[in-house]
Amino acid sequence: GNSVTQMEGPVTLSEEAFLTINCTYTATGYPSLFWYVQYPGEGLQLLLKATKADDKGSNKGFEATYRKETTSFHLEKGSVQVSDSAVYFCALSDRGGGGNKLTFGTGTQLKVEL
Amino acid sequence: GAVVSQHPSWVICKSGTSVKIECRSLDFQATTMFWYRQFPKQSLMLMATSNEGSKATYEQGVEKDKFLINHASLTLSTLTVTSAHPEDSSFYICSTSGRAGNEQFFGPGTRLTVL
Repeated sequence: GNSVTQMEGPVTLSEEAFLTINCTYTATGYPSLFWYVQYPGEGLQLLLKATKADDKGSNKGFEATYRKETTSFHLEKGSVQVSDSAVYFCALSDRGGGGNKLTFGTGTQLKVEL
Repeated sequence: GAVVSQHPSWVICKSGTSVKIECRSLDFQATTMFWYRQFPKQSLMLMATSNEGSKATYEQGVEKDKFLINHASLTLSTLTVTSAHPEDSSFYICSTSGRAGNEQFFGPGTRLTVL
């Protein structure tokens, strides 16, 4: 079956530091890949997505590239802010868009300090 | 994106009682709703998928008689945990999706504690 593995947190960074959160997946076929963010007290929000190999999803300064050869979808941001503090979830769907069944990673908590 | 609410945001109940959790899509016609369960420091586990007016489809290992799901309209789905026990204590999250199926919109979750 499908599975998603992401690095354990919490990850603590200083403001303006570079961020990488690793995510690898196991799936048959050609899944779509997603990063969701959950701010304290709120529901998960779609941060970015990629639907085919070599696609790069980007939003709010975050980027992730769909690497089929390494089955990875690592999240990166060049300069984090305190407001980026949240829990980040990597997920996949094996049926096209994100409106279908999603398989999630365990989530990585990011703390950004001044 | 669409706004999804859940009620209550937290609930404490005694073992053996039933608890109903509501999930509302406030500005979006949710043809499909998903219910997830999340344990501390673990991923969201899909429990069931429901389409408006149809019976829910449960994931393997989820007891459909224990976790009753009703999706009576395009804006409301309910999850009832029947005869709750302490092991049912968890964070329950719903999400909604429309006909295009391009994205899920998540509720803020409901924390259930069974004493």
